[in-house]
Amino acid sequence: GQQLNQSPQSMFIQEGEDVSMNCTSSSIFNTWLWYKQDPGEGPVLLIALYKAGELTSNGRLTAQFGITRKDSFLNISASIPSDVGIYFCAGLLPSGTYKYIFGTGTRLKVLA
Amino acid sequence: NAGVTQTPKFQVLKTGQSMTLQCAQDMNHNSMYWYRQDPGMGLRLIYYSASEGTTDKGEVPNGYNVSRLNKREFSLRLESAAPSQTSVYFCASSAFKGVLNTEAFFGQGTRLTVV
Repeated sequence: GQQLNQSPQSMFIQEGEDVSMNCTSSSIFNTWLWYKQDPGEGPVLLIALYKAGELTSNGRLTAQFGITRKDSFLNISASIPSDVGIYFCAGLLPSGTYKYIFGTGTRLKVLA
Repeated sequence: NAGVTQTPKFQVLKTGQSMTLQCAQDMNHNSMYWYRQDPGMGLRLIYYSASEGTTDKGEVPNGYNVSRLNKREFSLRLESAAPSQTSVYFCASSAFKGVLNTEAFFGQGTRLTVV
């Protein structure tokens, strides 16, 4: 089936550092979504991207929809301890389908 | 502001038992989904319902059945539970925006253990 390659799989960073992660695919997507999942909780939507090249921010988070429509990037600036969690990307295949394809997640740990 | 509500939150089953996971959304969304999450595997789609009255298989449908009871509710049934179905199950919903579905919103999950 469809797969999204998400990297890195995990990362340890110092508080205050910036973080970058990305998702790539062999397929074109119409929508890219970024989620955060805390332990024992469901994924919570952080940012949604709808157009190739789009750059969207949500507080310290910035995400971009790659111009090839096959990739997306998430940056977190000045990380804080509560940024700990698993970050997932998800892509929605072109119009006519209803399936979101998820990456395998980036586990982020912030060292105070 | 409930969003997507799943019940139960935790369940332990014996091999061969059956059960139904319930999901309801109050956002008037058309589409609903069931995913399972296993360590290192991300979220895999089991079944989805694009709109009331329709259901379709996802990536890993074997061993499961679903019912879209009405626009609000989408249930997932395990007819004969197996240890391989030990997982965390998430229900999600999304709305149409023009001809596109947009963001999916998730419930808090059902943690199922089959012994």
